[in-house]
Amino acid sequence: AQKVTQAQTEISVVEKEDVTLDCVYETRDTTYYLFWYKQPPSGELVFLIRRNSFDEQNEISGRYSWNFQKSTSSFNFTITASQVVDSAVYFCALSKYGGATNKLIFGTGTLLAVQP
Amino acid sequence: DVKVTQSSRYLVKRTGEKVFLECVQDMDHENMFWYRQDPGLGLRLIYFSYDVKMKEKGDIPEGYSVSREKKERFSLILESASTNQTSMYLCASSLRTGFSYEQYFGPGTRLTVT
Repeated sequence: AQKVTQAQTEISVVEKEDVTLDCVYETRDTTYYLFWYKQPPSGELVFLIRRNSFDEQNEISGRYSWNFQKSTSSFNFTITASQVVDSAVYFCALSKYGGATNKLIFGTGTLLAVQP
Repeated sequence: DVKVTQSSRYLVKRTGEKVFLECVQDMDHENMFWYRQDPGLGLRLIYFSYDVKMKEKGDIPEGYSVSREKKERFSLILESASTNQTSMYLCASSLRTGFSYEQYFGPGTRLTVT
């Protein structure tokens, strides 16, 4: 069965600190996609990144970076020099490759609070 | 930009009422989804649709039904609302081309059943 675990329920940091959000997944598929979404207090989930299982290169986008390691089934998300605007719930999700539909399996989310 | 809109941000209904939640997307996406979000449980898929009039059950379909008469619109129906259906409901849409594209979400409807 496919499963996504985000063990950190809540994280609180002070502005400018670096923070890493953990994501561990389980799947028997050899081909799959992983996603990160951000849900700010307004409620709408915002897509951040998609990574396929063949691409283990780390990704950096501004202050955001993602570390994908198949050996440990992890897809961790790091925010460098955090800002108050980063306060949100962050979800990691797993999807099955191909097919007519792309169902996502979400983790339970990590609430990040960045204090000024 | 993809735009997914939901008919209400907040809704209060009484037990036993029939409730309609509407979702509209403007990007000609084939796939549409309904999730509910509860604290500590993340997002759980209720129903999804990959084409007009086509629907499939998700992980928690009990107590819900859906309707997709037009490509851009996907409705979630609570036939007889119950208090355990108090939740945040999120609609999403995505392309369907054989690859696993990201889903785009609406702002959510917070439903309270009293």
